[in-house]
Amino acid sequence: DTGVSQNPRHKITKRGQNVTFRCDPISEHNRLYWYRQTLGQGPEFLTYFQNEAQLEKSRLLSDRFSAERPKGSFSTLEIQRTEQGDSAMYLCASSPRLRDRRKPFYGYTFGSGTRLTVV
Amino acid sequence: DQQVKQNSPSLSVQEGRISILNCDYTNSMFDYFLWYKKYPAEGPTFLISISSIKDKNEDGRFTVFLNKSAKHLSLHIVPSQPGDSAVYFCAGGSQGNLIFGKGTKLSVKP
Repeated sequence: DTGVSQNPRHKITKRGQNVTFRCDPISEHNRLYWYRQTLGQGPEFLTYFQNEAQLEKSRLLSDRFSAERPKGSFSTLEIQRTEQGDSAMYLCASSPRLRDRRKPFYGYTFGSGTRLTVV
Repeated sequence: DQQVKQNSPSLSVQEGRISILNCDYTNSMFDYFLWYKKYPAEGPTFLISISSIKDKNEDGRFTVFLNKSAKHLSLHIVPSQPGDSAVYFCAGGSQGNLIFGKGTKLSVKP
């Protein structure tokens, strides 16, 4: 397993177009997260899945954004009618489910991200 | 509402000296705190974590201290090396998502 894989690495699109990003998590991780990062900010949570169930969505995830994880493996994040404000790095991460805080937690494993530029 | 705050946008230290990066939080429900390191054009890389039931965790040159009464944690890097130069993010979380600070850019000068 080579870690979390994200495709494409870069995407330039015209305003109003739809874009879709893909994330392949670490195979034994049942949790998958999407984050967005803009310049000078830390990663901002968008949504996460446990297996195929989408358990939480941020207010940042407007109705133009939709995420799926149909078989509990890879995930896609689609942005419809892109706006210039959508330009950011979109990060995917995966982790095993947390069970006991007495045990070490080795964090989420992030992919290298997809850099979206809306022109 | 910024639940995790890193008030120093940048820090510069000399090689071999100690680097101390600070982080404050407001959410008492966090079960874990983590530090991530990020290089340009890459995703964040996990560095070290601490459970909310502990006050210190050490891993090689990296030590994280948690002061729950002050809602403050810090990352100590001893000795600092030029390869440690990166942006460091503090994050807190529980069973769900992680909340990140804005990061501190560390520069270690030879």
